[in-house]
Amino acid sequence: DIQMTQSPSSLSASVGDRVTITCQASQDISNYLNWYQHKPGTAPKLLISDASTLETGVPSRFSGSGSGKDFSFTISSLQPEDFATYYCQQCDNLRPLTFGGGTKLEIK
Amino acid sequence: QVQLVESGGGVVHPGRSLRLSCAASGFTFSSSGMHWIRQAPGKGLEWVAAISSDGSNKYNADSVKGRFTISRDNSNNTLYLQMNSLRVEDTALYYCAKDRGFSGVFDFWGQGILVTVSS
Repeated sequence: DIQMTQSPSSLSASVGDRVTITCQASQDISNYLNWYQHKPGTAPKLLISDASTLETGVPSRFSGSGSGKDFSFTISSLQPEDFATYYCQQCDNLRPLTFGGGTKLEIK
Repeated sequence: QVQLVESGGGVVHPGRSLRLSCAASGFTFSSSGMHWIRQAPGKGLEWVAAISSDGSNKYNADSVKGRFTISRDNSNNTLYLQMNSLRVEDTALYYCAKDRGFSGVFDFWGQGILVTVSS
């Protein structure tokens, strides 16, 4: 199985801050990496696919980069609605699909 | 707009069975792979099972292999998860999710349904 190591597990930041989350795969997954936002009581939302492709309607303050084993996700200027938990997920191998452990982004 | 609505959750004793359903609308269901993903209390997301658009290919996580079966009814736009021999550690919020094709990209998710396994 491909293991996804996501860090940090939690992060405190202020509105307007720039934050970066990293995700490392246990083996080369090319660019088969997605990022999701999850707020309690709601359906998770796909933000970025193929490591860096922003989904339609997702604000441009969100971005992703990386390939191979090392990936990052950045919010350039935090907005109040961005406080949530973020997950990376590899889709290089469907058997099984695996998520990172999540990063809980909290208001400082 | 895409809608995925899960149902069938509840409280069940260990060893018993439960069947979850996911009613899909707003897209061509028969053209999309589908998945079940769960989140145990206080934990992260865990992929559970996948099924191709025509139902011919199915994959399960090792944690549910031999106990859970994913299936679909394309004539009724419904996804199912038959859960047998339930364990306490299966307690979770279960989400159905639409795949962009059958690539492992979950482009739409339902709101989730709670399954509690407890004696």
